[in-house]
Amino acid sequence: GQQLNQSPQSMFIQEGEDVSMNCTSSSIFNTWLWYKQDPGEGPVLLIALYKAGELTSNGRLTAQFGITRKDSFLNISASIPSDVGIYFCSNNNDMRFGAGTRLTVKP
Amino acid sequence: DGGITQSPKYLFRKEGQNVTLSCEQNLNHDAMYWYRQDPGQGLRLIYYSQIVNDFQKGDIAEGYSVSREKKESFPLTVTSAQKNPTAFYLCASRALRPSGANVLTFGAGSRLTVL
Repeated sequence: GQQLNQSPQSMFIQEGEDVSMNCTSSSIFNTWLWYKQDPGEGPVLLIALYKAGELTSNGRLTAQFGITRKDSFLNISASIPSDVGIYFCSNNNDMRFGAGTRLTVKP
Repeated sequence: DGGITQSPKYLFRKEGQNVTLSCEQNLNHDAMYWYRQDPGQGLRLIYYSQIVNDFQKGDIAEGYSVSREKKESFPLTVTSAQKNPTAFYLCASRALRPSGANVLTFGAGSRLTVL
């Protein structure tokens, strides 16, 4: 099956800093999905991408669907303490997820 | 309000006992999924169902069983055959429309601890 690799595994940043994380796949995707999981809760969809090259923003979040259709990145600008959590990438096909990027924001 | 409800939130069981986790959705979603999450780990697919009375194994189905007798419900049984059942279990659902996002909606999770 396809493999999803997320990096970095974890990040420790200062409040106000920008964050960038990415996800690569061993196969071509038609959809890239980014979810966020707050501690002790279920993941919630942040951004969905449907076309190669697509760049989508949602407040302080920006995500891009890579031209090769095998990668995607998620940026968070001006981080705040409530950004803490685990960020997962996924597709809309086989419902598998990357291992996640765990974000810690120090006030 | 439409949503997906998991119960119980916390569950403690003795080793060797079967336990069933409940998952109910009122979103009229076609497909339902169960994931397992270990500390510091990602989500691993246990079982999924795309239609009533049918389900498929995911990547780590051994030691688990499911049923899908109603569209709204997809309970997961953690059997005594599961060697390391202590984990956080997440249920999710989604529609399967020909067009549209069809993304997953998750429940709040059930944390199972085997003593």
